[in-house]
Formats: sequence, C-alpha cells, structure tokens
Amino acid sequence: DADVTQTPRNRITKTGKRIMLECSQTKGHDRMYWYRQDPGLGLRLIYYSFDVKDINKGEISDGYSVSRQAQAKFSLSLESAIPNQTALYFCATMTGTGALNEQFFGPGTRLTVL
Amino acid sequence: AQSVAQPEDQVNVAEGNPLTVKCTYSVSGNPYLFWYVQYPNRGLQFLLKYITGDNLVKGSYGFEAEFNKSQTSFHLKKPSALVSDSALYFCAVSPSSGGSYIPTFGRGTSLIVHP
Repeated sequence: DADVTQTPRNRITKTGKRIMLECSQTKGHDRMYWYRQDPGLGLRLIYYSFDVKDINKGEISDGYSVSRQAQAKFSLSLESAIPNQTALYFCATMTGTGALNEQFFGPGTRLTVL
Repeated sequence: AQSVAQPEDQVNVAEGNPLTVKCTYSVSGNPYLFWYVQYPNRGLQFLLKYITGDNLVKGSYGFEAEFNKSQTSFHLKKPSALVSDSALYFCAVSPSSGGSYIPTFGRGTSLIVHP
C-alpha cells in the first residue's frame, strides 16, 4: 500500500461548490503539506502543518482551508470553488525537525472546476 | 526570501548521451538542496539531496548533482541518459537555519530523452 494516499484522484465540480480533498499517510510523519501544481508554475504551497495543533498558511492560501484531523490525516477544502482553482493538488509529508529531510508526496488529485 | 531558478523549461538529449538539468538558488545562509522527479500521472519522488560535506552528491537511478557555493548552483547530472529518464524534474531549496524550514520549489524542467 502507498505511504501517502489522496482521495479522490480525479474530481470535476462546478463553480460555487464546496469540495474536500483528503490526504492520509502511514509514515508516522508529523509534518504535512498541501501544494498545487500548475503548468509552468511548479509547486506552490497552500497550507502546512507541523503537528495536529499547528496549521500555517502558505503562499497561496486564499480560497482554501485545511483541517488536521489526526497525525495521519490532513484535508484541504475549497469552500466555493472557482475555475482558476483547476489544478493538480499534492499532499506531502516530512519527518523530523529542521529541513534536512526529503518530502514524500501522494499521487495527486486532479481537480477541474467548470 | 529564498528562491530557485530552473532556467530551462525543457531539455532534450539523445539516449546514451550525458544530461544536465540546471538549478540555481538564493537563500540566506547555508542551503539544503533537493532534486525530485515526477513521472506522468505520479507524485514527486525524491532523487537526492545536499546537506553538507562532499559537493558531489549521488542519488537514485544513477543521478548525481554538484553543489557549487560560489555559483549558487546545484545542477543535476547523469553520465548516460535513458529513455525512461524522460520526466519532469524539480529542484528545491530550504534554509539550514532560521525561518520555518519550508522548501521552495523551482518551476520544473521537462527532460526528454530521444531514442
């Protein structure tokens, strides 16, 4: 089984709808991240969490919210989806403190907002 | 603020030839540097990292990268490219001290290896 899983893998929704993307991990890592990937823009950080009680905004958090339900679960919500939120979304985890460890990424969720 | 530049959107190389994917960075203090690879319809996968020590770092699938502090570069290299190396490659940097230790990613370079 994959260490970092994301559901759904693909989602098509309409403008104004609320949608939740879920991420689960079995690696036992404290740190979890949500990124979006757009062609030519690379990965941009939406939110990150260093433990269950710690939630931080990334560079593009507007229009998004998150919930860290447990060490293993980190959900991303779009309260009212808009077309420019169409993108590939990745969840990632990291162990330890500081920044010398690599991140582990889920397979991604392809979201289309019509 | 930290940043990463991958100056080439796409790199084309013939199978069997050496490949280089370029990365330059800007960060306060000493950097932690990473390369990741993304195959189609997959998440990013860690290749290698530079933390400290030897400037030449070896990683997965025969890749290596050279840290050059004076040029603030961390170019990814492989002596002999394979068609299966075709993928999207991302460079990332984090500060080794201070700040929130959040990595910043480059925009990615598409590597195409021709048979």
